[in-house]
Amino acid sequence: KAGVTQTPRYLIKTRGQQVTLSCSPISGHRSVSWYQQTPGQGLQFLFEYFSETQRNKGNFPGRFSGRQFSNSRSEMNVSTLELGDSALYLCASSLKAINTGELFFGEGSRLTVL
Amino acid sequence: SQQGEEDPQALSIQEGENATMNCSYKTSINNLQWYRQNSGRGLVHLILIRSNEREKHSGRLRVTLDTSKKSSSLLITASRAADTASYFCATGGDAGNMLTFGGGTRLMVKP
Repeated sequence: KAGVTQTPRYLIKTRGQQVTLSCSPISGHRSVSWYQQTPGQGLQFLFEYFSETQRNKGNFPGRFSGRQFSNSRSEMNVSTLELGDSALYLCASSLKAINTGELFFGEGSRLTVL
Repeated sequence: SQQGEEDPQALSIQEGENATMNCSYKTSINNLQWYRQNSGRGLVHLILIRSNEREKHSGRLRVTLDTSKKSSSLLITASRAADTASYFCATGGDAGNMLTFGGGTRLMVKP
């Protein structure tokens, strides 16, 4: 069974640009959540989708958005990039609707904003 | 914001020694999980302990949970060089699959 796949793995953008990151969950998993990891703030929850609906959202500005498609694949978008958006963005999937078990993480998309 | 703190932030031990990491959290929880992350890569789930459990074992891992003190500990016995990684605790509540992570402990196991 294939794991969680995130693309692209690495990308470099400049301030003001926008970026779209993609996440394909494990087959059959309907919950996809996104986390941002930085040296200063650690791992922070961005948002979670289940069956194409955003269920939870972390404390991030509106420049951060996401969506989930009918095949459970998810994308997140960051508009008007700032230097502080440089981070490892991690996607995780889960079979269940509520947290009764582990999350399966992808390898992440490392974004550098210049 | 992070749920709590992990202690120590960094730990260096010799192969064969035991490693203990502690995690504190702030709010009521449904469960507490421990994850491992090798440098700059994704997180791998290690073990989950529910709020009504006090201790759990998985191979060389032992996790304890004290909900009265809002704290947990992860013990890795007979450490190996391959255990070198960062270890994170994460708490889950009732809100879907949202986890709140601690700051992590960087473990180095010297051969």
